[in-house]
Amino acid sequence: KQEVTQIPAALSVPEGENLVLNCSFTDSAIYNLQWFRQDPGKGLTSLLLIQSSQREQTSGRLNASLDKSSGRSTLYIAASQPGDSATYLCAVFHNTDKLIFGTGTRLQVFP
Amino acid sequence: ETGVTQSPTHLIKTRGQQVTLRCSSQSGHNTVSWYQQALGQGPQFIFQYYREEENGRGNFPPRFSGLQFPNYSSELNVNALELDDSALYLCASSLEAGGPLNEQFFGPGTRLTVL
Repeated sequence: KQEVTQIPAALSVPEGENLVLNCSFTDSAIYNLQWFRQDPGKGLTSLLLIQSSQREQTSGRLNASLDKSSGRSTLYIAASQPGDSATYLCAVFHNTDKLIFGTGTRLQVFP
Repeated sequence: ETGVTQSPTHLIKTRGQQVTLRCSSQSGHNTVSWYQQALGQGPQFIFQYYREEENGRGNFPPRFSGLQFPNYSSELNVNALELDDSALYLCASSLEAGGPLNEQFFGPGTRLTVL
């Protein structure tokens, strides 16, 4: 059974810091991995999608890596800003029909 | 290009009632998935519809049912509501089911409260 774990559960950092969010999964047979952002009470915004054949994806200040063999992904946020405060969710596409999510990392960036 | 939309935004029901939630997929997308997100948890997969057929189902009882229409919009129906059904219900659409085109785009969600 595929399980996704995210560490840390919560993180509070001063503005300007570079930070790393971690995601691990138990079954390496994934189709892709997707990182999302969720603001309180809102839907999910897709940040980055990494196909199973890829090692990393970049968008602006965000960089996500994937190591299938070790069952790990990291989301790197450069020069964090207060507007980055949100919950970050990692999800793996297992089989062809569903995303399996972690419980998220709640990030607070203070000025 | 319009994104994924959901209605209503909020809903309050009582135990035993029935509810219908609606989702319009992103333009050009033929696959819709529904997820339930309890407070403080990650979303849990309910089911997926691909070209009007159910294409996979998570660990939810039969009182959770769905439909997809020819324009690829979708409905989630929940019968005999229970208190534990209180959650944010999220709809996601993608270009195709499976493969490299299955990046999921989510709507804003419907907050259901069962009293």
